[in-house]
Amino acid sequence: GIQVEQSPPDLILQEGANSTLRCNFSDSVNNLQWFHQNPWGQLINLFYIPSGTKQNGRLSATTVATERYSLLYISSSQTTDSGVYFCAVTPSGGYNKLIFGAGTRLAVHP
Amino acid sequence: EAGVTQFPSHSVIEKGQTVTLRCDPISGHDNLYWYRRVMGKEIKFLLHFVKESKQDESGMPNNRFLAERTGGTYSTLKVQPAELEDSGVYFCASSHSTGEQFFGPGTRLTVL
Repeated sequence: GIQVEQSPPDLILQEGANSTLRCNFSDSVNNLQWFHQNPWGQLINLFYIPSGTKQNGRLSATTVATERYSLLYISSSQTTDSGVYFCAVTPSGGYNKLIFGAGTRLAVHP
Repeated sequence: EAGVTQFPSHSVIEKGQTVTLRCDPISGHDNLYWYRRVMGKEIKFLLHFVKESKQDESGMPNNRFLAERTGGTYSTLKVQPAELEDSGVYFCASSHSTGEQFFGPGTRLTVL
């Protein structure tokens, strides 16, 4: 089956710093989503981005489907950005189940 | 618009007991999914309903798990009998058509 790899696995930042999280996938996909799991365990939708670039405030994402990767950019990080960021994809040619990566654990210190 | 809701938020049971988890999807979403994350592992797909029909149940671990979606609205996931390895967080998600999935807050299940 399709493999989803996220890097880095852990990231520590000072407040105000910028960062880039990466998601590689091993086969073609129909959909790609980025989530933020907050300290209470909730999965918050960040982006639904099977291709192209989107921006939402300090966050933006780019998916290059032909090269099988997606990037999540966090600018001017804040302590509230801490948590785990997940990338998830739905493989092409199949049903709509999401295949999750292992996540990137982000800690932003004041 | 209300999001996906799940009940209970936490459940602690003993091995061999039965537990039923409930999920109410976003109103109007025909697609409903169950996922789970067991300790230290990735979030894994369990099954997918389209309305009341099971579209894909390839992720269901064994026959101790039974999912239903009578009437195509809310769904239940029953674990009977529960085993220690069933402990984890069970997420429900819903989507309109085959688009973006929205997740509920999860049910944390602990089997002692």
